[in-house]
Amino acid sequence: GQNIDQPTEMTATEGAIVQINCTYQTSGFNGLFWYQQHAGEAPTFLSYNVLDGLEEKGRFSSFLSRSKGYSYLLLKELQMKDSASYLCAVREGRDDKIIFGKGTRLHILP
Amino acid sequence: KAGVTQTPRYLIKTRGQQVTLSCSPISGHRSVSWYQQTPGQGLQFLFEYFSETQRNKGNFPGRFSGRQFSNSRSEMNVSTLELGDSALYLCASSLVARTGGMYEQYFGPGTRLTVT
Repeated sequence: GQNIDQPTEMTATEGAIVQINCTYQTSGFNGLFWYQQHAGEAPTFLSYNVLDGLEEKGRFSSFLSRSKGYSYLLLKELQMKDSASYLCAVREGRDDKIIFGKGTRLHILP
Repeated sequence: KAGVTQTPRYLIKTRGQQVTLSCSPISGHRSVSWYQQTPGQGLQFLFEYFSETQRNKGNFPGRFSGRQFSNSRSEMNVSTLELGDSALYLCASSLVARTGGMYEQYFGPGTRLTVT
């Protein structure tokens, strides 16, 4: 079966660093995405990991460990505009289905 | 380059009716996926089309169907609407649909469907 877990909500302070974790159990892992979704808007792509390790893109980094079924999204130098939901999604199986977690709502405090 | 467009943006229907939603992918993108998003269930995969063929399908009843045209535009149809079908329906397009490449998906703004 498929199962993707991420915390429902997190709170962090402007200027700080926050790590959003995602654990998954899938059959035939093909890749993992992170998306950002502001309230009332469509998701926007942040990162895609296929191999183990850390991918850095500006203030955002994403880490993957396939053997542990684990990923995290690291946001540095938090800004108020980073207040949003962050969605972890896994591509799995021969047909490359994409399964989304329910998202982590991140609140940034001034 | 124009983004993914979806029409209509908002729709109100009554139970038992049917509805057709439209999605135009980014030019050159051949893969179109549809998702249903609700507060309780989050984003759930409906189906994916690539080169006019349904490539895979999520766990939704047969009332949900779709198709893709030769210009990659896609439509999604829901028949015999139920109250629980009220949701935001998102369409996403990507360049490729096969393992081995980077599958950045670009989402459209969505169609907000309300069933009364």
